[in-house]
Amino acid sequence: SQTIHQWPATLVQPVGSPLSLECTVEGTSNPNLYWYRQAAGRGLQLLFYSVGIGQISSEVPQNLSASRPQDRQFILSSKKLLLSDSGFYLCAWSVRLAGGTDTQYFGPGTRLTVL
Amino acid sequence: GESVGLHLPTLSVQEGDNSIINCAYSNSASDYFIWYKQESGKGPQFIIDIRSNMDKRQGQRVTVLLNKTVKHLSLQIAATQPGDSAVYFCAETLRFKTIFGAGTRLFVKA
Repeated sequence: SQTIHQWPATLVQPVGSPLSLECTVEGTSNPNLYWYRQAAGRGLQLLFYSVGIGQISSEVPQNLSASRPQDRQFILSSKKLLLSDSGFYLCAWSVRLAGGTDTQYFGPGTRLTVL
Repeated sequence: GESVGLHLPTLSVQEGDNSIINCAYSNSASDYFIWYKQESGKGPQFIIDIRSNMDKRQGQRVTVLLNKTVKHLSLQIAATQPGDSAVYFCAETLRFKTIFGAGTRLFVKA
């Protein structure tokens, strides 16, 4: 069965510090990978998605970047955090199936607080 | 896809009653729909899905109804329990692009 891991679970960082959040998937090959941010009490904002190693698409301009150094590893980074980067960061994976289904499965999330 | 900038609508139900959570989707050509449940501090979990060639699908205590005429999706939870308290998101997919709804917060009163 497939599992998705994110770490750390929680993180408190000062403004201006760097960021690295990691996501790994087990039990599947060549998944699509996604990074979302969720503000408190709000919906999901897609930040980045990747269909393969080294292939990153950005949905919104921002202070963050993403990389996919390995097939099942997705990293979210920042060189200098802003207060507005605080939120709940979710990684998700999916595998496109014949017939058009592409169900996304989410990791446990990382709660980031920028002070 | 994204749904941001909105505070979540809420639904409050009595334990044991049935819950109905509604979602209006945006694209009449969307061909696959999913409901997710997100408990506090956790990632969304897949609950149930339905393809556009169906109008109803049942799972364990949950039923999803699809009305393509008015682009409406609903999730029915039978005999709602305290453990059902969470935020519920709908999602629509068209050609492998997924758009998430804003979410509805369900409170279950004991």
